[in-house]
Amino acid sequence: DADVTQTPRNRITKTGKRIMLECSQTKGHDRMYWYRQDPGLGLRLIYYSFDVKDINKGEISDGYSVSRQAQAKFSLSLESAIPNQTALYFCATSDARRGTGELFFGEGSRLTVL
Amino acid sequence: SQQGEEDPQALSIQEGENATMNCSYKTSINNLQWYRQNSGRGLVHLILIRSNEREKHSGRLRVTLDTSKKSSSLLITASRAADTASYFCATDFDGSNYKLTFGKGTLLTVNP
Repeated sequence: DADVTQTPRNRITKTGKRIMLECSQTKGHDRMYWYRQDPGLGLRLIYYSFDVKDINKGEISDGYSVSRQAQAKFSLSLESAIPNQTALYFCATSDARRGTGELFFGEGSRLTVL
Repeated sequence: SQQGEEDPQALSIQEGENATMNCSYKTSINNLQWYRQNSGRGLVHLILIRSNEREKHSGRLRVTLDTSKKSSSLLITASRAADTASYFCATDFDGSNYKLTFGKGTLLTVNP
């Protein structure tokens, strides 16, 4: 089983719909992240959480919200999806005790907004 | 932006040849990491080099870091078709509390 699991893996939706992407991890890491990947733009950080009570905006948080339901669960919501949110979304975790920021990624959730 | 920038954007070589990718960044860093992404899959950590290190090896990978030039290189020796992937550098810039910033990646194609 994957250490970092994302659901759904693929989703097609329409403009204006609310979408939730979920992430769960079995690595026991305290830190969790949501990144977005667009062709030619690399990965950009949307939100990150260093523990259950800590939520921080990344560089492109507008139009997104997150919830850290437990240490192992971190979900990303698009309240009203728009076509330019079509992208590949990655959840990642890291262990603050390692002191390196090394990330462990899920397999990604491909979202298409029509 | 604090992003690292990889160079070249794309690289095509023959199996057995060496592949070199470069990364430049803008500010002081704690460490620099390289990740690999097979097409459409999650990224996988390859190697980390700290700001006080100049060179590091892991199997067929060799990473160098020149903090005076704010640049790093990743060398893959004796490449294989299975090395075909995108490679990203990620920097943990000083003061970021280990929050990584990624470059746009180098697409490496290794032809059999």
